[in-house]
Amino acid sequence: AQSVTQLGSHVSVSEGALVLLRCNYSSSVPPYLFWYVQYPNQGLQLLLKYTSAATLVKGINGFEAEFKKSETSFHLTKPSAHMSDAAEYFCAVSAASGGSYIPTFGRGTSLIVHP
Amino acid sequence: EAQVTQNPRYLITVTGKKLTVTCSQNMNHEYMSWYRQDPGLGLRQIYYSMNVEVTDKGDVPEGYKVSRKEKRNFPLILESPSPNQTSLYFCASSFFAVGAQTGELFFGEGSRLTVL
Repeated sequence: AQSVTQLGSHVSVSEGALVLLRCNYSSSVPPYLFWYVQYPNQGLQLLLKYTSAATLVKGINGFEAEFKKSETSFHLTKPSAHMSDAAEYFCAVSAASGGSYIPTFGRGTSLIVHP
Repeated sequence: EAQVTQNPRYLITVTGKKLTVTCSQNMNHEYMSWYRQDPGLGLRQIYYSMNVEVTDKGDVPEGYKVSRKEKRNFPLILESPSPNQTSLYFCASSFFAVGAQTGELFFGEGSRLTVL
């Protein structure tokens, strides 16, 4: 079984400040981990993914995430927030189960960026 | 262009009037899935399909039907919609061959359904 917990349904930052969105997962086998972003009135798009290569993963728009097995975490960061980063962010885990990789999503974190 | 296409994007209907939301992908993906998104509840999986003629229930299948007669299409059917099915719906697809994919999903733009 696999699950994902995103801490904080809303995160508010000032423009230029560090962005930190937290994600913890549980999986009985080595997982693949993803962050998706959903801009207003759009579908989800992949921001970055961890697939057992480098533990520090760089994604689009300056975001990155670090896989920490000991902490079962995959937190998303960006050094300096832009207004355009305001969106809903979803963490997801995918782990092999019976030959399949059906992903499980967290409940999402809404990032609010203040001028 | 690789994409997942849903129609309609917006729909207002009345209780009990059957409707179908279509989903089509042009990436030759084996796996397709429907999700609903509600405030505070995130994405919840309704149904998924691992290949043609293979479908299975997700977390919230009640009141929905699906079919997978062709690899590219995965329509979502609401036989008798009710107000609690008012939601934002997403179709998604992915490769599924073991060793060839990682579970990365490609999403459609969403279909906002209101049932009065």
